[in-house]
Amino acid sequence: LAKTTQPISMDSYEGQEVNITCSHNNIATNDYITWYQQFPSQGPRFIIQGYKTKVTNEVASLFIPADRKSSTLSLPRVSLSDTAVYYCLALQASSGSARQLTFGSGTQLTVLP
Amino acid sequence: NAGVTQTPKFQVLKTGQSMTLQCAQDMNHNSMYWYRQDPGMGLRLIYYSASEGTTDKGEVPNGYNVSRLNKREFSLRLESAAPSQTSVYFCASSLTSGYTDTQYFGPGTRLTVL
Repeated sequence: LAKTTQPISMDSYEGQEVNITCSHNNIATNDYITWYQQFPSQGPRFIIQGYKTKVTNEVASLFIPADRKSSTLSLPRVSLSDTAVYYCLALQASSGSARQLTFGSGTQLTVLP
Repeated sequence: NAGVTQTPKFQVLKTGQSMTLQCAQDMNHNSMYWYRQDPGMGLRLIYYSASEGTTDKGEVPNGYNVSRLNKREFSLRLESAAPSQTSVYFCASSLTSGYTDTQYFGPGTRLTVL
């Protein structure tokens, strides 16, 4: 079971780039790194997913080095509305149809004016 | 297209009472999930259904039962509620059970057990 480790909290100011690092030392060969965002009183929402190197979409970028033991979520020019909890997951499938999905405690990002 | 819907939004139970949380999705997804989230914590998987007719235990299944009624609906039942089950319950769905699933979450049910 690939466990992920993230900082508990981070503060940033509006307009800055924010980088949140996730450690996953025991990641399996077929695991994908996936990030979700959760606002208060809402369910999580998918942000981005990747396997290796760099992935970019309209919301964020994800950097995964060759050894895949860590990954970095990059949010360009954050605004107050980016204040949320960010979860890093290593998607894993066990044998059969069972599956262990682990959301850690996440990183509470607070964007300050 | 409503996505994932959950009922009720809020519920207060007394210890020992039973209830069923309902979840439905209109995205024609095959897989559905139930999570719980305790205050200040991440989500923990309770049960999972890869497809209609199949269910599997997640990380914290004790005290819960599930039913995949059809492709759209996945219900979670608490037979004898305990204060330790006070939590926010999220239902989610995904198209398949493959590695690159994107899960779509409902708005949650806030349950308090007194």
